[in-house]
Amino acid sequence: EAGVTQSPRYAVLQEGQAVSFWCDPISGHDTLYWYQQPRDQGPQLLVYFRDEAVIDNSQLPSDRFSAVRPKGTNSTLKIQSAKQGDTATYLCASSPRTNYAEQFFGPGTRLTVL
Amino acid sequence: GEQVEQRPPHLSVREGDSAVIICTYTDPNSYYFFWYKQEPGAGLQLLMKVFSSTEINEGQGFTVLLNKKDKQLSLNLTAAHPGDSAVYFCAVLPGTGSNRLTFGKGTKFSLIP
Repeated sequence: EAGVTQSPRYAVLQEGQAVSFWCDPISGHDTLYWYQQPRDQGPQLLVYFRDEAVIDNSQLPSDRFSAVRPKGTNSTLKIQSAKQGDTATYLCASSPRTNYAEQFFGPGTRLTVL
Repeated sequence: GEQVEQRPPHLSVREGDSAVIICTYTDPNSYYFFWYKQEPGAGLQLLMKVFSSTEINEGQGFTVLLNKKDKQLSLNLTAAHPGDSAVYFCAVLPGTGSNRLTFGKGTKFSLIP
């Protein structure tokens, strides 16, 4: 069974530029999560979906970040105008309907904003 | 909300020695606990999950202890070997029905050459 896949693996931007990250969860997993992991810190949840519905986006900076999962499968996280403080690894995870608590993580996208 | 303190931030031992990483959480209603391992450039790999009804879990080369009274979760690495070098994170799921995992800040574990 394929794991969670993410692309790109790396991104380098200037401040003010936009970037999108893409995630393909494990097949059949209805819940999908986006985490931000700053260097030398633990992951922090930005948003999560159940199918196509947003369940919790309370920690997503809505002025510049957006996330969608239109068909309840793949998801895109977008930063409209990146800042240096957005430098981090962005992790996607998914969990199955039969065990929401167990989250499986992708390899992440490492973003550097100059 | 839930807060998780993890210590130590760095840990170095000699091959064959044991090591302990401890997490302290604040929400007494938290009921599901996890340890993840992250190798350089990789995502998080689930090592162990512990329900609040289980106090001791054993894996390959490690033991996880849950002390609900003190709200502490510990990872005991026994007989460390080179493959254990990584960053270890604890994570806690609240008892509110949310899927929001709260992570510790991580422990960078390495072997002394």
